Amino acid sequence: DQQVKQNSPSLSVQEGRISILNCDYTNSMFDYFLWYKKYPAEGPTFLISISSIKDKNEDGRFTVFLNKSAKHLSLHIVPSQPGDSAVYFCAGLNSGGSNYKLTFGKGTLLTVNP
Amino acid sequence: NAGVMQNPRHLVRRRGQEARLRCSPMKGHSHVYWYRQLPEEGLKFMVYLQKENIIDESGMPKERFSAEFPKEGPSILRIQQVVRGDSAAYFCASSLWKGGANPDTQYFGPGTRLTVL
Repeated sequence: DQQVKQNSPSLSVQEGRISILNCDYTNSMFDYFLWYKKYPAEGPTFLISISSIKDKNEDGRFTVFLNKSAKHLSLHIVPSQPGDSAVYFCAGLNSGGSNYKLTFGKGTLLTVNP
Repeated sequence: NAGVMQNPRHLVRRRGQEARLRCSPMKGHSHVYWYRQLPEEGLKFMVYLQKENIIDESGMPKERFSAEFPKEGPSILRIQQVVRGDSAAYFCASSLWKGGANPDTQYFGPGTRLTVL
């Protein structure tokens, strides 16, 4: 039972263009979402998060959008750079319950071509 | 400012042997989490520990797996009598306890890749 789904295993974009990574969730108790970036042979690195009281959070080139009614969130990277090439994981949690138990999707491999 | 340290980075064991994975949290962090990533899967929560206490081990298999975080020294994830299905990447994360409205950010180590022959 996958509670967090990243349906695109991979995405390829040109340098300078926008990258849009998508994530869907099924657990209605999730009210806090995070994106992590992972390079090969390294651990995930925290990128950006969003609480369900917001529908948008921005940090530099990274913006996360949350659509609670659709149980969908997306990560936008503008402009994309070759160094952004990595696997991106979406994660959700229930901040009122076990607010440490991250539930991850399977990840999307982003390739940014020069 | 050292991040989360894990060792060994790679561990090879034969079926039936024991595997010990170590995790040193970031300086000042007293909360440790272990996650497992099977091939082609996302990371899955295993256990949450504070110093000398297991807070939540709901993601740990009931048999052969145990974890500890002693008063001194690193956190240890121990797998007894390993089987091929235990082959995975095991990630440790740590966090501060800020007690704010938002959950504490978990910072991950580089992982230990366990291969069971």
